[in-house]
Amino acid sequence: ILNVEQSPQSLHVQEGDSTNFTCSFPSSNFYALHWYRWETAKSPEALFVMTLNGDEKKKGRISATLNTKEGYSYLYIKGSQPEDSATYLCASHNAGGTSYGKLTFGQGTILTVHP
Amino acid sequence: DTGVSQDPRHKITKRGQNVTFRCDPISEHNRLYWYRQTLGQGPEFLTYFQNEAQLEKSRLLSDRFSAERPKGSFSTLEIQRTEQGDSAMYLCASSWTAAGVNEQFFGPGTRLTVL
Repeated sequence: ILNVEQSPQSLHVQEGDSTNFTCSFPSSNFYALHWYRWETAKSPEALFVMTLNGDEKKKGRISATLNTKEGYSYLYIKGSQPEDSATYLCASHNAGGTSYGKLTFGQGTILTVHP
Repeated sequence: DTGVSQDPRHKITKRGQNVTFRCDPISEHNRLYWYRQTLGQGPEFLTYFQNEAQLEKSRLLSDRFSAERPKGSFSTLEIQRTEQGDSAMYLCASSWTAAGVNEQFFGPGTRLTVL
């Protein structure tokens, strides 16, 4: 059984603050780590797909790092804006067996950015 | 809009009734996934199709659940004799085999409430 854990469960920050979340995942048979942003009433939106140990990816004010040996990933948001308010999900894709690319999700981090 | 679409967006039903949801994936995607999200949890894998073949089913998918993908295009998920515990957000995602890390694109979900 794969367990993907995210912390914190929820976070309230002020506009302009920088913040970060953690995702821990099983390192055995690791294939890829996905980050999604999910705003209320919308589809989950893919932010990053990361595969290599030491990977760092950036999209605007959001960046992510990956450590596959110890099984964790960090998501950073610099200068948070109210429009960043959403649930941030990470999901692990572990290879092997009959796992045809199914994702195992963490429970998410709910971010609220106050103006 | 060429993204993943789901219908209906919301469904309220009485316990014991049957419900059916539809997912239209991105047209060139051959893989289709169903996930379920309950309150406070991340999405959980239910089942997976490659073209029209259902290749994997989760233990979460009881005998009351059935999914089809005729002709490898749209998919339906049917729940028979609904129970209150079936209340959840049902998400559909699609991907393309040759896309390497299997980036999955999600629809907006169908929120089911069983009274």
